[in-house]
Amino acid sequence: QVQLQESGPGLVKPSETLSLTCAVSGGSISSYSWGWVRQPAGKGLEWIGHIYNGENTYYSPSLRSRVTMSVDTSKNQLSLRVNSVSAADTAVYYCARLISVAGGDAFDLWGQGTMVTVSS
Amino acid sequence: QSVLTQPPSVSGAPGQRVTISCTGSSSNIGAGYDVHWYQQVPGTAPKLLIYGDRYRPSGVSDRFSGSKSGTSASLAITGLQTEDEADYYCQSYDSSLSGSGVFGGGTKLTVL
Repeated sequence: QVQLQESGPGLVKPSETLSLTCAVSGGSISSYSWGWVRQPAGKGLEWIGHIYNGENTYYSPSLRSRVTMSVDTSKNQLSLRVNSVSAADTAVYYCARLISVAGGDAFDLWGQGTMVTVSS
Repeated sequence: QSVLTQPPSVSGAPGQRVTISCTGSSSNIGAGYDVHWYQQVPGTAPKLLIYGDRYRPSGVSDRFSGSKSGTSASLAITGLQTEDEADYYCQSYDSSLSGSGVFGGGTKLTVL
């Protein structure tokens, strides 16, 4: 079955760029849509954005100016970049698969998450 | 503050029934967007519990059910079990968010 595995540096300095990848195994990344969600310690889930058809992206308005998502079909992986990070970006970052639902899609498969700390 | 409002906590004794509400507005739930529910046991990734307002993914117990009316949705859990103790999140879309999705603030369920 399809599995997701996030990876990236666990520590990023303030003002720098956070870069994460999500490796998709057991299936083709081209067959689905994908998204990223983050969760600060002790807090709720925050929608970062999602990508359809490998290129159509939708970002949370609160993060839109700093976020870029992309799909690399040759590597079967999803990428996330967040620019100009601050301590407020410290969180567990999840990649997840979207399933098509008539009234708005849902995340049916999640990676285990990767912790990112922003600190000098 | 999320546009979807959930109670911070609910509780119930084993065997009881509890409900968790998710209150939105005319730009999200009331606009016809579906509501999905996730269960998150602390330290683990969220799990899809209900999609499309009321449908259960394969493998999810029929003790979990979802409903929607107007600008609100609810998750009901019957026959509470200790393993149901977790955080629960509703999720939908909002026309003011330019196509982005949104989660509710989450509800901590305690099984007494």
